[in-house]
Amino acid sequence: AQKVTQAQTEISVVEKEDVTLDCVYETRDTTYYLFWYKQPPSGELVFLIRRNSFDEQNEISGRYSWNFQKSTSSFNFTITASQVVDSAVYFCALSEARSSGDKLTFGTGTRLAVRP
Amino acid sequence: SQTIHQWPATLVQPVGSPLSLECTVEGTSNPNLYWYRQAAGRGLQLLFYSVGIGQISSEVPQNLSASRPQDRQFILSSKKLLLSDSGFYLCAWSPPTLNTEAFFGQGTRLTVV
Repeated sequence: AQKVTQAQTEISVVEKEDVTLDCVYETRDTTYYLFWYKQPPSGELVFLIRRNSFDEQNEISGRYSWNFQKSTSSFNFTITASQVVDSAVYFCALSEARSSGDKLTFGTGTRLAVRP
Repeated sequence: SQTIHQWPATLVQPVGSPLSLECTVEGTSNPNLYWYRQAAGRGLQLLFYSVGIGQISSEVPQNLSASRPQDRQFILSSKKLLLSDSGFYLCAWSPPTLNTEAFFGQGTRLTVV
């Protein structure tokens, strides 16, 4: 069965610091998809990125970047020059291609607090 | 554009009372629909998903049930709530094509007292 581990329960940084959120996954499938979601205090999950298992290119979107390494089964998320608005719980998730209905397996989340 | 509506936002219910949470999606057809639960300090757990009207799959045994009476309506129910049913419930949808991201509603915070 698939599993997603986010070992960092809480992280606290000062504004403008860089911060990396770790995500390690387990799956027996060769085709799978990885996701990051942000949950601000309002509770709604906001989709950030989807990456398929065949694309190991790192991706950058503004201050956000993602490092996908199949060799270590990791999909880490870095926020550069963090801002107070980045404070939220961040979830990493996995779905397997063979599963019907795009079921997501989530990690337990990392709570990021950015202090001014 | 597609939107997802979930209500109510908060709910306090006594043990043994029934539950009905509703979720509707607009701007898309034949979506995959999901109910997730987030317990305090834990990740999200998939409870039910549906790939079509009347088609419900349950992921974990529990006190809850789900129904999809219309293409874009998904309902989470219980006949008698337990204290352990407390949590944050999120409805989500994804396009009918496989392996795409899911989009979430704003959630319902349920407290069973």
